[in-house]
Amino acid sequence: KQEVTQIPAALSVPEGENLVLNCSFTDSAIYNLQWFRQDPGKGLTSLLLIQSSQREQTSGRLNASLDKSSGRSTLYIAASQPGDSATYLCAVIGINTGNQFYFGTGTSLTVIP
Amino acid sequence: GAVVSQHPSWVICKSGTSVKIECRSLDFQATTMFWYRQFPKQSLMLMATSNEGSKATYEQGVEKDKFLINHASLTLSTLTVTSAHPEDSSFYICSASSGALEAFFGQGTRLTVV
Repeated sequence: KQEVTQIPAALSVPEGENLVLNCSFTDSAIYNLQWFRQDPGKGLTSLLLIQSSQREQTSGRLNASLDKSSGRSTLYIAASQPGDSATYLCAVIGINTGNQFYFGTGTSLTVIP
Repeated sequence: GAVVSQHPSWVICKSGTSVKIECRSLDFQATTMFWYRQFPKQSLMLMATSNEGSKATYEQGVEKDKFLINHASLTLSTLTVTSAHPEDSSFYICSASSGALEAFFGQGTRLTVV
């Protein structure tokens, strides 16, 4: 069974810093990997989707990379802002598991003004 | 992206009553819908997968008689929490897929059982 782990579980940084969130998965047979943002008590906001044939995706200050063979992805946030404070979740869709997402444990990010 | 609407966004109910949560795909036909549960400060855990017109497949440890899932049409799936108890209080999120390798999520429902 696919297991997705995120490190660190929590992160606190001063405003303006660049930061990296890590995601690892045990089964490399995936179709996609997706990064989400979740604000307290809210649903999921999709940030970036990386297909298995891709190495990275960029959107504004966000850059996500994927190394499928090693089972790793990173989300890079440049010039962090207080509004970036949220929980970040990564999720993968496995080749043999239909369209079911396997979610990571999440990283709670706090950006201090 | 496609839009998935989940209703209600929050509900408070008395212990022993049943609560129904709706998940609708507004601009596409969802052949598969997923229901997740999230306890405070934890990640999303898949409860069940439903395909239109067939019975839902429940994950291990999820009581199918307690969490009734109906996926009668290509745009609507419902989750009914029967005889709710305080320990069922949680955040429930649905996602819908048209068969492509991407799913879209509803806004979530905060259930509080008192």
